[in-house]
Amino acid sequence: DQQVKQNSPSLSVQEGRISILNCDYTNSMFDYFLWYKKYPAEGPTFLISISSIKDKNEDGRFTVFLNKSAKHLSLHIVPSQPGDSAVYFCAASPNAGNNRKLIWGLGTSLAVNP
Amino acid sequence: DADVTQTPRNRITKTGKRIMLECSQTKGHDRMYWYRQDPGLGLQLIYYSFDVKDINKGEISDGYSVSRQAQAKFSLSLESAIPNQTALYFCATSDSGTGTDTQYFGPGTRLTVL
Repeated sequence: DQQVKQNSPSLSVQEGRISILNCDYTNSMFDYFLWYKKYPAEGPTFLISISSIKDKNEDGRFTVFLNKSAKHLSLHIVPSQPGDSAVYFCAASPNAGNNRKLIWGLGTSLAVNP
Repeated sequence: DADVTQTPRNRITKTGKRIMLECSQTKGHDRMYWYRQDPGLGLQLIYYSFDVKDINKGEISDGYSVSRQAQAKFSLSLESAIPNQTALYFCATSDSGTGTDTQYFGPGTRLTVL
């Protein structure tokens, strides 16, 4: 059973517009959430994260929003650039003492068109 | 120099052969992970190690074994490779001291089993 769900396998956006990538989770014990970006033939790279005590975290063009009641988070990229074209993974970490490891979504492939 | 390195980057082998994939890190992190990625299946955890004396099975450990030779080195072995182990393999590290579970990935190994 997929505890972290990225329901859109792909997304296409025009350069300069906003990209919104969504992620839903089922486990209320998750307390830390991360977004990773992955280019073909490279390893995933950490992009931005958010703790469950916050509802928003911003880093330059990237903002993550967390809605705990809906068990939903989203990544906003504004403005989108062609170099943002990649697969984006959402991941969550459960508040389970010291035995914490990331639970991953299946990814959303973003294409930013010039 | 890259903080997390993987060797080899590409490997083609035959069914039944023993294969070892190696991972080294210079980040000083205590935790290390092995993942595989198949198209459409996201990242699946094979094994993880929270310190040199700690080895844990992940979601898909059957057919794989690992060795944590030192804090900086974590190798993955396929004792008798089979074609459905053809995939991208990623090593990752994290630092338990940060409490954030952020993982940092190597560039990946593309393994093809004929």
